[in-house]
Amino acid sequence: ETGVTQSPTHLIKTRGQQVTLRCSSQSGHNTVSWYQQALGQGPQFIFQYYREEENGRGNFPPRFSGLQFPNYSSELNVNALELDDSALYLCASYKQGIDEQYFGPGTRLTVT
Amino acid sequence: AQSVTQLGSHVSVSEGALVLLRCNYSSSVPPYLFWYVQYPNQGLQLLLKYTTGATLVKGINGFEAEFKKSETSFHLTKPSAHMSDAAEYFCAVSERSGAQKLVFGQGTRLTINP
Repeated sequence: ETGVTQSPTHLIKTRGQQVTLRCSSQSGHNTVSWYQQALGQGPQFIFQYYREEENGRGNFPPRFSGLQFPNYSSELNVNALELDDSALYLCASYKQGIDEQYFGPGTRLTVT
Repeated sequence: AQSVTQLGSHVSVSEGALVLLRCNYSSSVPPYLFWYVQYPNQGLQLLLKYTTGATLVKGINGFEAEFKKSETSFHLTKPSAHMSDAAEYFCAVSERSGAQKLVFGQGTRLTINP
């Protein structure tokens, strides 16, 4: 157990809809990253938040957005869902100055 | 830009045999290297990491990896495979210690034959 939790575990949405995924970081961790893992592939970096500000972004369109809250919990929002958005979404938290990111169990999103 | 190539999407070994999972990386700056394991329907668990210092890194569950700069490699080994080692393994690189994005390889699925 890493202390990082994500909700929901599974989610089914229809193309064009919007979705919000949630992550609760490990206690004391002020940085969170989100990754998308398509079936049979390695995770891809979406973006990172540090102290409630976006701190780096991967090659994902603006319809992927995020928030980090004062308690360091985080949300990933995806608008105008596409079939290719179907994937496992992972969040990872860490504290500045340590060398390890702690991953949550992920949210499996299916877009039909 | 950084990248990771894992040679072999699927590796199968017998229980008790040597496990060798190959990882080559590309990085324009000194890399930080990681191996993660993923069991079915679960997130990623860190096996081991190389940041600085000793190039032979020991991790959990009897795994180890050696950073070879001249070969741009970070292969993962375990002397004797156990049935519980069956999982997906990912090699990853980052530019800075944990701070920047992790760039992952495609993964290697390890199967253990009884």
